[in-house]
Amino acid sequence: QSALTQPASVSGSPGQSITISCTGTSSDVGSYNLVSWYQQHPGKAPKFMIYEGTKRPSGVSNRFSGSKSGNTASLTISGLQAEDEADYYCCSYAGSSTLVFGGGTKLTVL
Amino acid sequence: QVQLVQSGAEVKKPGASVKVSCKASGYTFTSYYMHWVRQAPGQGLEWMGIINPGGGSTIYAQKFQGRVTMTRDTSTSTVYMELSSLRSEDTAVYYCARRTGVAPDYWGQGTLVTVSS
Repeated sequence: QSALTQPASVSGSPGQSITISCTGTSSDVGSYNLVSWYQQHPGKAPKFMIYEGTKRPSGVSNRFSGSKSGNTASLTISGLQAEDEADYYCCSYAGSSTLVFGGGTKLTVL
Repeated sequence: QVQLVQSGAEVKKPGASVKVSCKASGYTFTSYYMHWVRQAPGQGLEWMGIINPGGGSTIYAQKFQGRVTMTRDTSTSTVYMELSSLRSEDTAVYYCARRTGVAPDYWGQGTLVTVSS
């Protein structure tokens, strides 16, 4: 199972919006509406941000939203804030109870 | 509140085995599967496998088949991940993470395993 493909880095200024893509295959992202997204600050455990492609867990800001088209899922962060600077990972169900993660994207808030 | 508390850091020699524990609290232990995910230094997240604490069934990523064993102790609400035949490339932070739907939601604090001669 190959890792999902994410851009290594993205950046944006405070108040702007950014989008992080996550490209998989017809065996994972394309087959299921089961992509989740995680935020990870240095030295910390990942934080659950989006599940089932578009849903936000309780307590997650509505500035974070998810979408999917074909084999590519996306995370959009609107109204960028300094505390959004972190690494972001996508994760997709890949069948038979297995998961596959993306390589991660470093978000820099300029 | 949901908490997953993992065992402390380990240093192991190549060829040895390591067993990491993850104690759950704040929810019904047997009602949620548990994932194991690792992260090598400066690298991304890698899914290792999953265990059903209720029945004990497991599914492992193909990469770790034959080297990883996941078990659970329902009397203490603890899951374990044992990795054998350690090599330097296994140096990583190992996380347990509860499954909701299919996705990991709550994560443990991580356990650093260092493999060095």
